[in-house]
Amino acid sequence: NAGVTQTPKFQVLKTGQSMTLQCAQDMNHEYMSWYRQDPGMGLRLIHYSVGAGITDQGEVPNGYNVSRSTTEDFPLRLLSAAPSQTSVYFCASSPGLAGYEQYFGPGTRLTVT
Amino acid sequence: GEDVEQSLFLSVREGDSSVINCTYTDSSSTYLYWYKQEPGAGLQLLTYIFSNMDMKQDQRLTVLLNKKDKHLSLRIADTQTGDSAIYFCAESTVVTGNQFYFGTGTSLTVIP
Repeated sequence: NAGVTQTPKFQVLKTGQSMTLQCAQDMNHEYMSWYRQDPGMGLRLIHYSVGAGITDQGEVPNGYNVSRSTTEDFPLRLLSAAPSQTSVYFCASSPGLAGYEQYFGPGTRLTVT
Repeated sequence: GEDVEQSLFLSVREGDSSVINCTYTDSSSTYLYWYKQEPGAGLQLLTYIFSNMDMKQDQRLTVLLNKKDKHLSLRIADTQTGDSAIYFCAESTVVTGNQFYFGTGTSLTVIP
């Protein structure tokens, strides 16, 4: 199993550009999440999904969209990038609710200039 | 979101014990976790404890939970240079389901 994969590893965007961060898992996990990691702030939940076709907002959803058309994929879209979205983005998946381990991808480092 | 707090930095000498502390605010927290993040990598689960437990031991790792004070600690015995990393405390509850709340992370530096 590849686990949780994310692409790209690094990305630089100009303010106002849009892009999609890709996330895929091959463990047949129902639950997938997107986090951003900023210095001194830990990880904050952006959006999550409890299954194909079902998504919900986390703590910091503004400026981001998600969709879940398949169990395997959970892309994160930045509609109009802003410097405040400069961060490291992590995708995670888990087989169940609280008490289950979340498996994290290696992260995407995004810089918005 | 919930408040999960950790000190930002900790330095220890190789061979000593490390103790990383965490406080949380949600009294209904069901599971509390410790994750490790090595440079340039994602987070990996080290251990977790259910809220009806006081202690959990796993090889060099000991987790202590003081539910009254909402305090969680991770003790690493015989700390090695390979233990240098950022350690995150996290909590989740049955109520919030898959929503995890992470602390700010503690950067552990092990001095040879």
